[in-house]
Amino acid sequence: EAQVTQNPRYLITVTGKKLTVTCSQNMNHEYMSWYRQDPGLGLRQIYYSMNVEVTDKGDVPEGYKVSRKEKRNFPLILESPSPNQTSLYFCASSHLTSGRVEQYFGPGTRLTVT
Amino acid sequence: AQSVTQPDIHITVSEGASLELRCNYSYGATPYLFWYVQSPGQGLQLLLKYFSGDTLVQGIKGFEAEFKRSQSSFNLRKPSVHWSDAAEYFCAVGGSNTGKLIFGQGTTLQVKP
Repeated sequence: EAQVTQNPRYLITVTGKKLTVTCSQNMNHEYMSWYRQDPGLGLRQIYYSMNVEVTDKGDVPEGYKVSRKEKRNFPLILESPSPNQTSLYFCASSHLTSGRVEQYFGPGTRLTVT
Repeated sequence: AQSVTQPDIHITVSEGASLELRCNYSYGATPYLFWYVQSPGQGLQLLLKYFSGDTLVQGIKGFEAEFKRSQSSFNLRKPSVHWSDAAEYFCAVGGSNTGKLIFGQGTTLQVKP
């Protein structure tokens, strides 16, 4: 089954404790992206990657890191989480070929930082 | 600037009634347009998309949307709403070969019995 998976689905942590949220897709997509969703703000892009070893900042990258060492994986790293990073996080992926750019989303990771 | 506006934050309709969710966009190039639905506690599911051609596109779950270039709009419609349609709906715009999508703030649909 074609899908985007994220782990963990729920995470409660404390300020300053490094964490990683994993994202994997099995559709051979070139493009992968991380979003955060907050009430009233819709989805805001954190980082994206257009291929292996190619990553770039989105609209709200502060406090986050990413890497793309393999095509299928795109982990999101919070080196020193803070309470304002409490949010619902989504990973998404797509092809980049014209006409095939719809994004497929993972189930989301709800992160709480206390 | 590139942006998507969904003017209605919340909409309530009665079951069986028709539905229209509005979406206006600002995009410098030829836009690719999408509607996604997010049920409570779930991820985003693609309802429909417009890349080119016929400006009236059909999607899943009985939804359709019409692209109107002159109005920079891509409104979502359904002739008869079901209780299971209660969810949050997001309009998004992107371009070819960039991957990036710009999302609206979402419209929450409540369905009355």
